[in-house]
Amino acid sequence: GAGVSQSPSNKVTEKGKDVELRCDPISGHVSLFWYQQALGQGPEFLTYFQNEAQLEKSRLLSDRFSAERPKGSFSTLEIQRTEQGDSAMYLCASSLTALGLGELFFGEGSRLTVL
Amino acid sequence: QKEVEQNSGPLSVPEGAIASLNCTYSDRGSQSFFWYRQYSGKSPELIMFIYSNGDKEDGRFTAQLNKASQYVSLLIRDSQPSDSATYLCAVNNNYGQNFVFGPGTRLSVLP
Repeated sequence: GAGVSQSPSNKVTEKGKDVELRCDPISGHVSLFWYQQALGQGPEFLTYFQNEAQLEKSRLLSDRFSAERPKGSFSTLEIQRTEQGDSAMYLCASSLTALGLGELFFGEGSRLTVL
Repeated sequence: QKEVEQNSGPLSVPEGAIASLNCTYSDRGSQSFFWYRQYSGKSPELIMFIYSNGDKEDGRFTAQLNKASQYVSLLIRDSQPSDSATYLCAVNNNYGQNFVFGPGTRLSVLP
C-alpha cells in the first residue's frame, strides 16, 4: 500500500535483549517522527528526522534508544538492553513537509512486549 | 505542567447529542493545532487541523481555537456510536520539530 509501513507489528523479547523496529514512510515525505505510546496514554515524542538529519530528540529519551534514517527514506529505532518499562506501542509517522507543518500520517505501530 | 492537557474521560454522550472535547496547551509559540481520533488498538488518524483563532467547520466536526486563552476544542454534532474513540489533541509550534500530543479523551457515544 501507499501508507506508512512498520515492522514487526508485534515483538516479544526478554529483558536485556536488543530490538530493532523499522518504519517505511510514505514515499517523498520529508519529515519522520517516532512516538512511544503506553496503554491508555497519548503518544510521547521520541525523535524527529528531516530527510536523513535527526533534528530533534526527546530529552526524556534514554541513551538505550537510538534512531537512524540513513538515506532519508526508511528509519530504524533500536532499543538496547530492553527493560520492562519499554513495553509499549511504537508509532512512526511521516509528513510531506519539513518542520511537521502538514498532516502526520501514522503507521499501524509496532507493539513491543518485554518479559 | 504538561505541555498539552486534556480530560482523560470517559466522556459519555447519548447518540445524536453534541460532544465537546477540550484541550489546553502551555507553549504560547504554538501555531498549529490538530485533532486526531484513535480507535482502540489502531493508530491515530487526522480529523481536523486549525491554525487561526475562531471556528473551523468540517461536516459534523467543528474545531475552535483561542490562542489568547491557549485553548482548542472539538465539537462533534449528531454524535454516533461509531464516534466512540479516544480523541487526541496535538500541538506543533512550527519552529520546534515535534508534535506534542495530549493524553487523549475517551469518548463513548451511547446508542
